Amino acid sequence: KAGVTQTPRYLIKTRGQQVTLSCSPISGHRSVSWYQQTPGQGLQFLFEYFSETQRNKGNFPGRFSGRQFSNSRSEMNVSTLELGDSALYLCASSPAGQGPEQYFGPGTRLTVT
Amino acid sequence: DQQVKQNSPSLSVQEGRISILNCDYTNSMFDYFLWYKKYPAEGPTFLISISSIKDKNEDGRFTVFLNKSAKHLSLHIVPSQPGDSAVYFCAASTNFGNEKLTFGTGTRLTIIP
Repeated sequence: KAGVTQTPRYLIKTRGQQVTLSCSPISGHRSVSWYQQTPGQGLQFLFEYFSETQRNKGNFPGRFSGRQFSNSRSEMNVSTLELGDSALYLCASSPAGQGPEQYFGPGTRLTVT
Repeated sequence: DQQVKQNSPSLSVQEGRISILNCDYTNSMFDYFLWYKKYPAEGPTFLISISSIKDKNEDGRFTVFLNKSAKHLSLHIVPSQPGDSAVYFCAASTNFGNEKLTFGTGTRLTIIP
């Protein structure tokens, strides 16, 4: 079974721009979560989608948004990029309802200049 | 407010010896705990988990211990192998069906041949 895939793997954007990141979960997984990893901060939970609905949300500003499609693929969007948004963005999927174990993709490395 | 803490940013252990990684938490609502391992340029990989109704869970060379009264858990790796060199993250969830994970900041484990 193919793992979680994320595109693009690397991205460089300018402050003030917006960006969209994509995630394809493991086949059959209906829950997709997004995390931000920055040095010294570990992984910070952004949001989780299940059946095209946002089910959980972390403590991030409204500039961070996401959506999920009927095939469980998910996108996250960051508008009005700030230098502090430079991070590794990780997507994780799970079957949902079978425990909190999640399976992570390789991440998208976003650099804001 | 860091609800899950890994106070040792790094740890070096001789090959063949035991590696012990520690994690503390403050939120008494956490009842499911997980350990993830992360190599550079890859997403975190699930290692082992433990429910709050247990105090120990083993899987091969990996054992997780939970001390609820002290709000402390530890991961033991015996024997340590060079391939175990990675960053280890402790994570917690408030219930079995909750996909929102709260992560610690990670401990970089280096196994010395």
